[in-house]
Amino acid sequence: DQQVKQNSPSLSVQEGRISILNCDYTNSMFDYFLWYKKYPAEGPTFLISISSIKDKNEDGRFTVFLNKSAKHLSLHIVPSQPGDSAVYFCAASEGGTGFQKLVFGTGTRLLVSP
Amino acid sequence: DTGVSQDPRHKITKRGQNVTFRCDPISEHNRLYWYRQTLGQGPEFLTYFQNEAQLEKSRLLSDRFSAERPKGSFSTLEIQRTEQGDSAMYLCASSYSPPREETQYFGPGTRLTVL
Repeated sequence: DQQVKQNSPSLSVQEGRISILNCDYTNSMFDYFLWYKKYPAEGPTFLISISSIKDKNEDGRFTVFLNKSAKHLSLHIVPSQPGDSAVYFCAASEGGTGFQKLVFGTGTRLLVSP
Repeated sequence: DTGVSQDPRHKITKRGQNVTFRCDPISEHNRLYWYRQTLGQGPEFLTYFQNEAQLEKSRLLSDRFSAERPKGSFSTLEIQRTEQGDSAMYLCASSYSPPREETQYFGPGTRLTVL
């Protein structure tokens, strides 16, 4: 069963506008969430994370929002740039395991056009 | 900081052959993870090392798979008697813990094709 879901396989946005990528999860034991960006032929690159004790974390153009009651998180990119075009993965982990086994979604391909 | 490196980047092999991949983590990182990614999917956890100790293995890791991290530095992942279903991208990640909210840094991956 897919514990982390990214229901939009792709998203197209114009340069300068906001990109919103969504992620839903089913496991209520998840307490730490991360977003990774992946270019072709490269490994995932860490973008931003959020702990379940927060509902928002911001880093430059990237903001992650967490809604625990809805088991939903989103990544906002403002303003979007062509270099942001990549596949974005949402990942989650459980604190009780003692280590960070990441569970990933299937990814959303973002295309930012000039 | 040179980041996580993996070798080789690509491997093509025939079914039934053995293959071995190497991962060099970021030097001060004490944790090392292996993941596998197939087309259209996100990475899936395979196994985890704390220093040289292998502390967790996924059910995805059949008996044909073995991983080592002999001195708590680099790690190897070996697949024996490869099958076509083993074709995937094999990703290595490293991190430092504590804190609990560690960040895993990924290498570029090894793409395995089994013919």
